[in-house]
Amino acid sequence: DTGVSQDPRHKITKRGQNVTFRCDPISEHNRLYWYRQTLGQGPEFLTYFQNEAQLEKSRLLSDRFSAERPKGSFSTLEIQRTEQGDSAMYLCASSLSGVNGNTIYFGEGSWLTVV
Amino acid sequence: TQLLEQSPQFLSIQEGENLTVYCNSSSVFSSLQWYRQEPGEGPVLLVTVVTGGEVKKLKRLTFQFGDARKDSSLHITAAQPGDTGLYLCAGLGGSNYKLTFGKGTLLTVNP
Repeated sequence: DTGVSQDPRHKITKRGQNVTFRCDPISEHNRLYWYRQTLGQGPEFLTYFQNEAQLEKSRLLSDRFSAERPKGSFSTLEIQRTEQGDSAMYLCASSLSGVNGNTIYFGEGSWLTVV
Repeated sequence: TQLLEQSPQFLSIQEGENLTVYCNSSSVFSSLQWYRQEPGEGPVLLVTVVTGGEVKKLKRLTFQFGDARKDSSLHITAAQPGDTGLYLCAGLGGSNYKLTFGKGTLLTVNP
């Protein structure tokens, strides 16, 4: 069990550029989540996949954001035309439904700084 | 909208002292998870509590889930500098997949 892996860990980009983050969940976890965390706040839910199906998207996820999980394993989160307000830590998490209260495990996060 | 209030927001204590962190809500949660987070890192799971009234111990840490599953507490005995970090509680609601986080308690244990 290698845990949830995220890449890259840090990304600095210019306003208006596109960025993509990758997440590899714990193997055999069928649920995958993206959260966003800003300084001084707890993580906020962005979106959720069960296998390859995206079942919920938060209203925090504007049209510039898109997440995919094409084969029900790894996931990508793309942000188009980045804005300074997108600067945050993007956290991926995974879980196995029906086990121990649906315990959710987080990755180390991907820090995004938009300059 | 489910909200979780954590208190205190900041806590600075000396090594060896005991402390309690509280997590309260007016909503019922199917389970509640406690995480510890260090700067620049993701939250690391400490424990999941599922049953009302449940108490779980992890070395010097004791976690309790309220009888009504609306609140929880984390008690640390004889705190050590290595316990320093941001402690987050997160509740799983009726959806059973969306975690609602509190803002966290930033604990500093001074040697």
